[in-house]
Amino acid sequence: NAGVTQTPKFRILKIGQSMTLQCTQDMNHNYMYWYRQDPGMGLKLIYYSVGAGITDKGEVPNGYNVSRSTTEDFPLRLELAAPSQTSVYFCASSNRQGIDTEAFFGQGTRLTVV
Amino acid sequence: AQKVTQAQTEISVVEKEDVTLDCVYETRDTTYYLFWYKQPPSGELVFLIRRNSFDEQNEISGRYSWNFQKSTSSFNFTITASQVVDSAVYFCALSEADSWGKFQFGAGTQVVVTP
Repeated sequence: NAGVTQTPKFRILKIGQSMTLQCTQDMNHNYMYWYRQDPGMGLKLIYYSVGAGITDKGEVPNGYNVSRSTTEDFPLRLELAAPSQTSVYFCASSNRQGIDTEAFFGQGTRLTVV
Repeated sequence: AQKVTQAQTEISVVEKEDVTLDCVYETRDTTYYLFWYKQPPSGELVFLIRRNSFDEQNEISGRYSWNFQKSTSSFNFTITASQVVDSAVYFCALSEADSWGKFQFGAGTQVVVTP
């Protein structure tokens, strides 16, 4: 059981470039999230999804886009990368089908924008 | 709006000492869930414990225990007989039943355990 898988693990982008962070989960969870963690800080929610075809903004959505075409996949798109987007990005999933549950996290993607 | 406060930035202890991490939360919901996560130096986030708002019974799980008090909106976490492997950042998190599963994290507490 792989859980939540993120790719890539590391990436260096130049200012203005674009990229997609991939996230896939094999637990059939309806809920998926993208968080960013800046150095020495907690996690801030970028976007979330409650099911295929449904996404919504979190606390810090500017500069990002998401899509959710399948239950398993929840990619995060960075358009026109900026130094302020240098961070560690975590994808997570959870199952809220009648039972409270924790979020399962991927290993994280360390992104540096130079 | 939900909010989680971890006032302790860093705690340093010597191995075998107990460590208590404080967490204070704010929520208007009557149904919510509280969590503790561990982030070791390798960077991954590891789930430790979960508590529901309607169950204030405190428990012990191995070297971990927690003290949930709704009256003071606190969800404190204790590591008994700390070990070097406990060195990590610990995050408290809150999820409200009406918030579509969104998790609000505190800023984290760095725990340093020295031999």
